[in-house]
Amino acid sequence: DIQMTQSPSSLSASAGDRVTITCRASQSITNYLNWYQQKPGKGPKLLIYAASSLHSGVPSRFSGSGSGTDFTLTISSLQPEDFATYYCQQSYTTPWTFGQGTKVEIK
Amino acid sequence: EMQMVESGGGVVRPGGSLRLSCAASGFTFDDYGMIWVRRAPGKGLEWVSYINWNGGSTGYADSVKGRFTISRDNAKNSLYLQMNSLSAEDTALYHCARVHYGDYVAWFDPWGQGTLVTVSS
Repeated sequence: DIQMTQSPSSLSASAGDRVTITCRASQSITNYLNWYQQKPGKGPKLLIYAASSLHSGVPSRFSGSGSGTDFTLTISSLQPEDFATYYCQQSYTTPWTFGQGTKVEIK
Repeated sequence: EMQMVESGGGVVRPGGSLRLSCAASGFTFDDYGMIWVRRAPGKGLEWVSYINWNGGSTGYADSVKGRFTISRDNAKNSLYLQMNSLSAEDTALYHCARVHYGDYVAWFDPWGQGTLVTVSS
């Protein structure tokens, strides 16, 4: 199975901060990498697909980059509604696997 | 508006069974594969099972293989997960989601809010 490792596991930030979350795959997954946001009591929401494509309706402050084994999700200016848990997910091969999540909290 | 609504969760004893349902709306259901994903308390997301558009192809995580069965009824725009031989490790919030493919990359959108399964004696 492909292991997905996110860092950090959690972070504290203030509104307006630039936030970067990294995701590393245990083997190359080319660009088969997606990012999701989940808030308590809600289902995850797709943010980025194919490593860098912004999903329809997602604010442009979210961006994704990377290929191979190393990927990054960046929030250029954190907004109050962005406090949530973020997951990366590989779809290179089944079993499709997720990172352990990064919880973004208010400082 | 696309929507997924899960149901069927509850409290069940170890060794018991439960059938989850997922009602889809707002898109052409039989154009898409579907998945179940779960999140155990204090843990991250775990893919559980996949079914293609007509039910002819399915896949399971090793942790549920042989115990869980995914199925769908395209006439009812519904997805199901039959769960047997449940154990405490299956306690989780179960989400259904649509699988979308683009340039061979698969992503999951939209997701339902989930239905809670608790396995406890």
